[in-house]
Amino acid sequence: AQSVAQPEDQVNVAEGNPLTVKCTYSVSGNPYLFWYVQYPNRGLQFLLKYITGDNLVKGSYGFEAEFNKSQTSFHLKKPSALVSDSTLYFCAVRDSQDTDKLIFGTGTRLQVFP
Amino acid sequence: SAVISQKPSRDICQRGTSLTIQCQVDSQVTMMFWYRQQPGQSLTLIATANQGSEATYESGFVIDKFPISRPNLTFSTLTVSNMSPEDSSIYLCSVVTDRGGPQHFGDGTRLSIL
Repeated sequence: AQSVAQPEDQVNVAEGNPLTVKCTYSVSGNPYLFWYVQYPNRGLQFLLKYITGDNLVKGSYGFEAEFNKSQTSFHLKKPSALVSDSTLYFCAVRDSQDTDKLIFGTGTRLQVFP
Repeated sequence: SAVISQKPSRDICQRGTSLTIQCQVDSQVTMMFWYRQQPGQSLTLIATANQGSEATYESGFVIDKFPISRPNLTFSTLTVSNMSPEDSSIYLCSVVTDRGGPQHFGDGTRLSIL
């Protein structure tokens, strides 16, 4: 069965520093991977996805993610964190190649300190 | 991306009652899903809403408790029946506009059961 893991419940980083939110996956076949952000009292907002192509995927709000097949990872990155980036982030994987159902990780809370 | 309107945004309900949540999209979509997000947790898929036929439920969710309708390609409802305090959660509608593309979410319905 497909699965994703977010090993960190919370990540703390100083404003202006680079940030990384970790995600590892387990799939049979080619992975379809997604990152979402959830602000308070809002639904999830799509940030970026990896299906095929370049291992470095660029998304919304200056975020990017690096796909690493050998390490089965899809970490979310940003070169310079903002205080406004502080919220909840979810990694997700498609359940199988013939469905659009997603399986979500447990989420990571990012805290950016001024 | 599609604009998704979910109603109500929040409600407080009495034990034993039922509540119907609506999800309206501003364009036709291929797939619609309903998720539950329990307090402080990740998203769990309840079911896939199928247009013109019965929804496809995930393990642990049944039609008697969570009846779903999808009469056309832009609208779906989820009913939470015979509610108990354990049903207090955020319920989220999501859609896929292009097969293989990301899911886009409504802002959710925050449900509290007294």
